[in-house]
Order: sequence, then structure tokens, then C-alpha cells
Amino acid sequence: AQTVTQSQPEMSVQEAETVTLSCTYDTSENNYYLFWYKQPPSRQMILVIRQEAYKQQNATENRFSVNFQKAAKSFSLKISDSQLGDTAMYFCAFMKPNDMRFGAGTRLTVKP
Amino acid sequence: NAGVTQTPKFRVLKTGQSMTLLCAQDMNHEYMYWYRQDPGMGLRLIHYSVGEGTTAKGEVPDGYNVSRLKKQNFLLGLESAAPSQTSVYFCASSYGRGQRTEAFFGQGTRLTVV
Repeated sequence: AQTVTQSQPEMSVQEAETVTLSCTYDTSENNYYLFWYKQPPSRQMILVIRQEAYKQQNATENRFSVNFQKAAKSFSLKISDSQLGDTAMYFCAFMKPNDMRFGAGTRLTVKP
Repeated sequence: NAGVTQTPKFRVLKTGQSMTLLCAQDMNHEYMYWYRQDPGMGLRLIHYSVGEGTTAKGEVPDGYNVSRLKKQNFLLGLESAAPSQTSVYFCASSYGRGQRTEAFFGQGTRLTVV
């Protein structure tokens, strides 16, 4: 079974600065998807960014970008120009079509 | 669009009682999932379904049963609730493959077993 590890339970960053959240995973699969989800206090799960494993190019979505290292099974999230609204739990997730697993999460606090 | 809808949003059960959580999606997704979220443990997969009439066990299936009689609905049952099942439960659905692959989540159900 796939496992996802987020080694940073909590992180903080000053507003407007950059922060990187780490994620590693373990799988024997070759085709899969990786995601970062954000969960604010409202409890809603919000997709931040998606990466297909067959794509070498790192995904970017505005201020959010990933560093995908397939051989190392690493998938970190970089948030640039951090905003107060970025304060939330962030979950890294691994998906093959019939199975989706999550890491334990990183609680990010953006300080004014 | 409604997306993924969970019913109910909150529930308090007594130990030994039974209940069913309903998940409904209107996106014609093949794949549906039930997770539980506990502090410090992220989301753990309980059961999942890859299509109407099919179900499979996830990481933590004990004490739960599921059914997918209709493609749009995925039911999670607790036959005899235990305090260890106090948690927030999330349902999700996805296409599973292709460029639109991502999981869409319901609002969550907070269940307390006393």
C-alpha cells in the first residue's frame, strides 16, 4: 500500500515571505497523481495543485508551485508571497485511480 | 452545482447504536471514497468504490460497512458505534483518470459517540 509522509507537523511564515512544505511518498506504481489540498478552519478540502507523475515539468498555480522529484519520491509545495488567507492545514495526497492516501498534514500559520 | 453532499453534518450517537452516512455526487464520477479525519493522523481511507455495485476495503475498514447501489450514492454504515469511531468523516469522488483527475470532497460529518 502507498504511504505518504509529511514530516513537518507545524510551520509558520511571515506575510509576504516564501515557505516550503515537504512531502515524501512510497509506491511501486509508475503512473499516479499527486496533490496538495488545503483545509482552512471551515473544514472544507480545497485543491491547491495537482501533478501527474508522467509529467516531468513541475506544476504551478499562481503563488503555488511544486518540486516533484520522481526518483526520490518527493513532492514539496512552495508558497510564494504568503498571505494571511493561506493559514490552514495542508495535506499531501497520492492517488492511483482506485486509491487515494493522505499524509498527516502540516499546519501552516502566516503571521502578519 | 451541488458537487458532493454529505448527510448529516453533525450527529451524536450512544455506544452500540447504528447509523448510516449518505454521500451523493452529481458529477457522474466513477470513484467514491470514505475517509475519517482524526487529529495528527490526516485522512485515512475507510472504504472505496470504483463503480456502481462495487466496494473495497481501505486502511481502516473495521467497524464500517458500505454500499453503492446507485452510481451517485455511497453509503457508510456503522452497525454498533464505539467511542473510537468519534471522528470527522469525509466523502470524496473522482473521475480517477485523465486530466480532470482530482478528488472532490463533501463538507464532512462530525460524529461523536458517547
